[in-house]
This record gives sequence, C-alpha cells and structure tokens, in this order.
Amino acid sequence: SYELTQPPSVSVSPGQTATIPCSGNKLGDKYASWYLQKPGQSPVLVIYLDSQRPSGIPERFSGSNSGNTATLTISGTQATDEADYYCQAWDRSTAIFGGGTRLTVL
Amino acid sequence: QVTLRESGPALVKPTQTLTLTCTFSGFSLNTSNLCVSWIRQSPGKALEWLARIDWNDDKYFSTSLKTRVTISKDTSKNQVVLTVTNMDPVDTATYYCARTPRDSSGWYWFDYWGQGTLVTVSS
Repeated sequence: SYELTQPPSVSVSPGQTATIPCSGNKLGDKYASWYLQKPGQSPVLVIYLDSQRPSGIPERFSGSNSGNTATLTISGTQATDEADYYCQAWDRSTAIFGGGTRLTVL
Repeated sequence: QVTLRESGPALVKPTQTLTLTCTFSGFSLNTSNLCVSWIRQSPGKALEWLARIDWNDDKYFSTSLKTRVTISKDTSKNQVVLTVTNMDPVDTATYYCARTPRDSSGWYWFDYWGQGTLVTVSS
C-alpha cells in the first residue's frame, strides 16, 4: 500500500523559514495537499494541487512537489503557525495521509 | 458559507454498528465535481481517510476498512451517512466529514471540514 512519510517534528525560530517534507514513491506524479491542525481543532486546508493556496491562507504558505518529495514551506514563520501539519495524496482512488509533523516555533 | 456538522452516538459497544450523519450547507451534492469524505483521527494519531461519495453516487473506500464501511447520501436533506460495522475499541476516534471538490483532471482535496464528533467504543 502507498505510504507518505513525514518527520515527526520540525523546529523553527520566529521569522525564519520552516520546511516540512513529505516523501512517497513517485509522489511528484500525484498532487499533494497540506493541512494544519491546532490542538482540539479540525484540520484546515493550507495547500492543494501541490502549490495552490485557498482563499484566506497567508502568502507565507507555499508548496512544491517533485520526484519523491512534496514540501510545505512557511516563510516568516509566526508563533500562530505552531501546529501539526499533514500531507495528503491520492493513490488509486484512496486518500493517503502522512503521519504528521509537529511544527514548533521557538 | 459552507458548513458541515457530524452527528451520532458518542459511545458504542464493541460489535455494534456505528451510524454517523454529516449535515452540510452552502453546497449541493447535486453539483458536478463535489463530493463528501469521512476521515477519522484516533487520539494522538494521524488522520485516516475512510470513504468518499461523489456527486454522481460513485463511492470509494479505504482498503483496510472497505468490508465494514458503507456511505450514502440524501441530496434532498443535504446529508451523507457513514456506517461502520463490528466496532472495536481501536475504532475510538474523532470522526470528521469534509467537502471534497474535484478538479478537471480528476484530483481531489478536502477544503471544508466539520468540527468532528468523538466516538468511544467501550463496553
């Protein structure tokens, strides 16, 4: 079965750039989405179709996808960006989520 | 304004069948390229997709759960119903429904999520 792998945690200083990778076999041949989830809240879509931002999502969120890795980049990271981030892709009509990455802003 | 809300029992016993309803507003499942999915999250764990129902009534299921899960829609009521049979304590989770649009190339994403409903499986 298809798997998406994310690092369990990433740390970043305020104002710096955070990079969260998501790896999967030939992931670049699929489209990736990204969701953030704060404690006790529902997930929120931040990137879809690799690099598209929904309305209301700040420009500091961007995405890319090539080869075996999709990447979520947060520029000028703010304390409010601290959350769990999940990548997601579709394989054979099945949605697959990564294990999630906890972003810590310190 | 798109909203979704999950409803159903908070507690079920092992071996029972769980039935959850997603009631939504702000869109219609009669609209081409709109779908609704169910996703769950066990405490402290990652998200897990369960099923999707499309505007044309096509249905898709998680490989690991497809023998236990059914999904249906009632477009007149703007509702999608998920059933999971033979519930087990490992099925304890927050269950979310999410609107799932489809683009012209046939790719999907989850753009609006409900608040989720916690279901505990215990005798």
